[in-house]
Amino acid sequence: GAVVSQHPSWVICKSGTSVKIECRSLDFQATTMFWYRQFPKQSLMLMATSNEGSKATYEQGVEKDKFLINHASLTLSTLTVTSAHPEDSSFYICSARVTDTTRNEQYFGPGTRLTVT
Amino acid sequence: GENVEQHPSTLSVQEGDSAVIKCTYSDSASNYFPWYKQELGKRPQLIIDIRSNVGEKKDQRIAVTLNKTAKHFSLHITETQPEDSAVYFCAVNLGNEKLTFGTGTRLTIIP
Repeated sequence: GAVVSQHPSWVICKSGTSVKIECRSLDFQATTMFWYRQFPKQSLMLMATSNEGSKATYEQGVEKDKFLINHASLTLSTLTVTSAHPEDSSFYICSARVTDTTRNEQYFGPGTRLTVT
Repeated sequence: GENVEQHPSTLSVQEGDSAVIKCTYSDSASNYFPWYKQELGKRPQLIIDIRSNVGEKKDQRIAVTLNKTAKHFSLHITETQPEDSAVYFCAVNLGNEKLTFGTGTRLTIIP
């Protein structure tokens, strides 16, 4: 149980284009999902919290107009990197929290490696 | 906000010996403390967690201890094996769902 998938696993795009990444909880419902980015040999940095049916909450310094998040159902959240630039190249990982107020566990997707050329 | 420090940043241990990684946190209201293992290019995997009402938790070769007074918690791996080599992250949750991660420890098990 508690499987999270992410698609695509890797993507290469040109500067100025947009890329959409999907995060799905496969065997549980997730009211809340989280989006992280991770640079090589560094920790996970939370970008935003995605809540089903409402606007995402962005961390300080993260541009909400550049990183568009949509959480339209209890099993799917999407992150769209708009007008991508080479500095956006990174490993993007989502996580999903089990919808149970007595539990805190977050389960991670396999990540998406984005390369912007 | 919450501040989490993790030490050491790298750790090399002879196979069969024990490894200990320690994290300290700043907010005494924090109530959930998971540990994640991440292999190169892969997702972080939850390996053990502890809640603030418990002082120690063990799962086979892995254990976590929590000292609420001192605001630190530690990961203990006994009888280490080569497959334990990975990066380990601690994290802290304030009850607001967000996890704040430590900076990571690269553990290398020497055969």
